[in-house]
Amino acid sequence: DGGITQSPKYLFRKEGQNVTLSCEQNLNHDAMYWYRQDPGQGLRLIYYSQIVNDFQKGDIAEGYSVSREKKESFPLTVTSAQKNPTAFYLCASSSGSSGNTIYFGEGSWLTVV
Amino acid sequence: QQQVKQSPQSLIVQKGGISIINCAYENTAFDYFPWYQQFPGKGPALLIAIRPDVSEKKEGRFTISFNKSAKQFSLHIMDSQPGDSATYFCAARGASSGSARQLTFGSGTQLTVLP
Repeated sequence: DGGITQSPKYLFRKEGQNVTLSCEQNLNHDAMYWYRQDPGQGLRLIYYSQIVNDFQKGDIAEGYSVSREKKESFPLTVTSAQKNPTAFYLCASSSGSSGNTIYFGEGSWLTVV
Repeated sequence: QQQVKQSPQSLIVQKGGISIINCAYENTAFDYFPWYQQFPGKGPALLIAIRPDVSEKKEGRFTISFNKSAKQFSLHIMDSQPGDSATYFCAARGASSGSARQLTFGSGTQLTVLP
């Protein structure tokens, strides 16, 4: 089945550690995105990529890094520089030709302990 | 920063009633307005969307009403069902290029439909 796969679903991190969230899509979409979701704040854009080997900062990129070496993969690293990393992280993708409909993965819960 | 304000934060409706969620945007040219539905522990899924050249769009029990002059748009769920209980997000896409072209989301409305 086509879709977006995020892993792991749940992740615990100790303060000071970096952690990488995986996102893979088999929809053949050009664009991929990472959003952060906090209660009562909606979805905020962290990074997005319109094409392989290129990505742009979103509204809250500080403390995060990404790479886009393959069309189907867009991993997100939450670094120790991110002061409040506990959140629900959503990966998404869209077709470059329409760019309208964004499809989301099922998310990854990150908790700092 | 572009903003989309959504209300109410939570909404409780009886089965068969009408659920209404409102969104407003400020001082920015947006050209696409989707609504997303999210169930607990899942990613949001596109529910319905509208462009500003249309004042209303209906898909089944879901209707978007759009008021361009007031910079407001709303989601109406007719004959609300317990299965509609979810969090709903409005969003707007900027007409400019670059980061402004990306979707800006409202803060979400948690809808509960009582049986």
